[in-house]
Amino acid sequence: EMQLVQSGAEVKKPGESLKISCKTSGYDFGSYWIGWVRQMPGKGLEWMGIIYPDYSETKYSPSFQGQVTMSADTSISTAYLQLSSLKASDTAIYYCARALDGYSSEPYFFDSWGRGTLVTVSS
Amino acid sequence: QSVLTQPPSVSAAPGQKVSISCSGTTSNIGNNFVCWYQQLPGAAPKLLIQDNNKRPSGVPYRFSGSKSGTSATLVISALQTGDEADYYCATWDASLSAGVFGGGTQLTVL
Repeated sequence: EMQLVQSGAEVKKPGESLKISCKTSGYDFGSYWIGWVRQMPGKGLEWMGIIYPDYSETKYSPSFQGQVTMSADTSISTAYLQLSSLKASDTAIYYCARALDGYSSEPYFFDSWGRGTLVTVSS
Repeated sequence: QSVLTQPPSVSAAPGQKVSISCSGTTSNIGNNFVCWYQQLPGAAPKLLIQDNNKRPSGVPYRFSGSKSGTSATLVISALQTGDEADYYCATWDASLSAGVFGGGTQLTVL
């Protein structure tokens, strides 16, 4: 059974940095894109980007390019999302999810999701 | 402002059918496949439809998807109270070289 287990909730102060983890199991981690989705309080889903672990190739949404860093460690089947210079507006739930392409040429949909990591940024 | 446009809310009675629209452009829906997610309150999203109209294993036949031109539609038939959730469409946007979501539609089963 495929599982994506995310790290626990975090409370940070403005200006601090944070690295969220997503440990996977049940599939060949290195051979599938894995992505991150943000959901701010009471708001919709936002596609942040994806990473292909075997090559560390990344595709970021322009809205998040330069603001976040995605990485992966294939030895422990874990993906990471790094957030730097945190602001109150970074307060959100961050989901990791496996991305697939189906009939498309791009990995556009997520078939399995983690439970989310709540990040709260407050002074 | 989301790249894909969905109605903020829809409602219908139990047993009825409801449609949720998702409008885009030739940069996204018009030239790519569409998927749909269901997000129950307090839960992570769940994939409902991929590749415009394909249901992953375990998704009931009551959920169906279609695409025409630059728009897509999710239809939920034989509504149940347990279908109350937020629904999101998504696709790939070639101009952005990234995935995009709709703004989400809140379904109320009256």
